[in-house]
Amino acid sequence: GAVVSQHPSWVICKSGTSVKIECRSLDFQATTMFWYRQFPKQSLMLMATSNEGSKATYEQGVEKDKFLINHASLTLSTLTVTSAHPEDSSFYICSARERENGAPQHFGDGTRLSIL
Amino acid sequence: AQSVTQLGSHVSVSEGALVLLRCNYSSSVPPYLFWYVQYPNQGLQLLLKYTSAATLVKGINGFEAEFKKSETSFHLTKPSAHMSDAAEYFCAVKTSYDKVIFGPGTSLSVIP
Repeated sequence: GAVVSQHPSWVICKSGTSVKIECRSLDFQATTMFWYRQFPKQSLMLMATSNEGSKATYEQGVEKDKFLINHASLTLSTLTVTSAHPEDSSFYICSARERENGAPQHFGDGTRLSIL
Repeated sequence: AQSVTQLGSHVSVSEGALVLLRCNYSSSVPPYLFWYVQYPNQGLQLLLKYTSAATLVKGINGFEAEFKKSETSFHLTKPSAHMSDAAEYFCAVKTSYDKVIFGPGTSLSVIP
């Protein structure tokens, strides 16, 4: 149980393109989803917390207008990288948490974004 | 503020040897603690979690971790390493703001 699906797994696109990444909880309802960015050989950096039906909460230093997050349902959150540039190239990972207190986060398989 | 440290960015063990990955945390409240494993180009998979029940927690793939409050530690162990255990391991603590903070990670290599 507790499967999180992230799509696409790999994206290569030109600079200036906007890219949408989807994160779905397949067998549970996730009121909260999280978006992380991971640089090579480094740990995960939390970008934002996405709550169903409300605005996302962004971490300090993360551009809200660059990384648009929408959490329209209890099973889907999307991250859109707007007008992507090479410095946005990275590994993006989403996670979803069940409602119970202390429940762990379940992670998607990540999206490798490469901007040319 | 909560934080997580992992001693040793890289650990190498022989196949069949004991695996010990260290994690220390700081938390002003009783913590929720987790160990995750990450294989190349993949997301994170939960190995085990501590949520204030038993101090010795058993997880998947033969891993276990012991919560020691006096040492603020949550070290991960496995009696006998397997080649398939080679991966990146992250210790994490859930904060009072309901976020999870990850340690810097430990890369485990298993030598045949």
